[in-house]
Amino acid sequence: DSGVTQTPKHLITATGQRVTLRCSPRSGDLSVYWYQQSLDQGLQFLIQYYNGEERAKGNILERFSAQQFPDLHSELNLSSLELGDSALYFCASSVEGDRLAKNIQYFGAGTRLSVL
Amino acid sequence: GDSVTQMEGPVTLSEEAFLTINCTYTATGYPSLFWYVQYPGEGLQLLLKATKADDKGSNKGFEATYRKETTSFHLEKGSVQVSDSAVYFCALGGGGADGLTFGKGTHLIIQP
Repeated sequence: DSGVTQTPKHLITATGQRVTLRCSPRSGDLSVYWYQQSLDQGLQFLIQYYNGEERAKGNILERFSAQQFPDLHSELNLSSLELGDSALYFCASSVEGDRLAKNIQYFGAGTRLSVL
Repeated sequence: GDSVTQMEGPVTLSEEAFLTINCTYTATGYPSLFWYVQYPGEGLQLLLKATKADDKGSNKGFEATYRKETTSFHLEKGSVQVSDSAVYFCALGGGGADGLTFGKGTHLIIQP
């Protein structure tokens, strides 16, 4: 158990809809990272928050957004969903806010999103 | 930009065989290198890491050495077990791009 909690485990929705994925980092970790794992693109970095503020952005679509709350949990919002958004979404956390990610990241079990 | 290349497999071995999974990288700066493992239905777990040239990471019988001259971080294990069956990801951080950059993953199957 990594200590990173993601909910829900599975999400099934329709095209055009909006969903919210939730992540609670390990106790004491200030950074949260979001990644997307798909069959064609592999694992891709989406966005990082550190202590409530956006720290780094990767290949995140404009339809996607994230935020980190004062209790350090984070939410990833996906809107106007398309079939191609079906993927496994991982959250990871680390103690430091290093945007270049030299430090160890601990991953949650992921949320599997199916867009029908 | 940063990139990681690894053999995708599947790689099928018999129990107690020697394992090598190749990983090479391209990065600016001085990245840290990682191997993560993903068991079926689970998230990624850190297997080992190395932060500078010639560092050797090791854990659970797995080893990998950070080779700057060949830009490689090959994963090895002397004697694999059925329980090692999983997908293995090579990754780098701190090379210039934000976040971790992952390889495509290598699916390892160990047969009894």
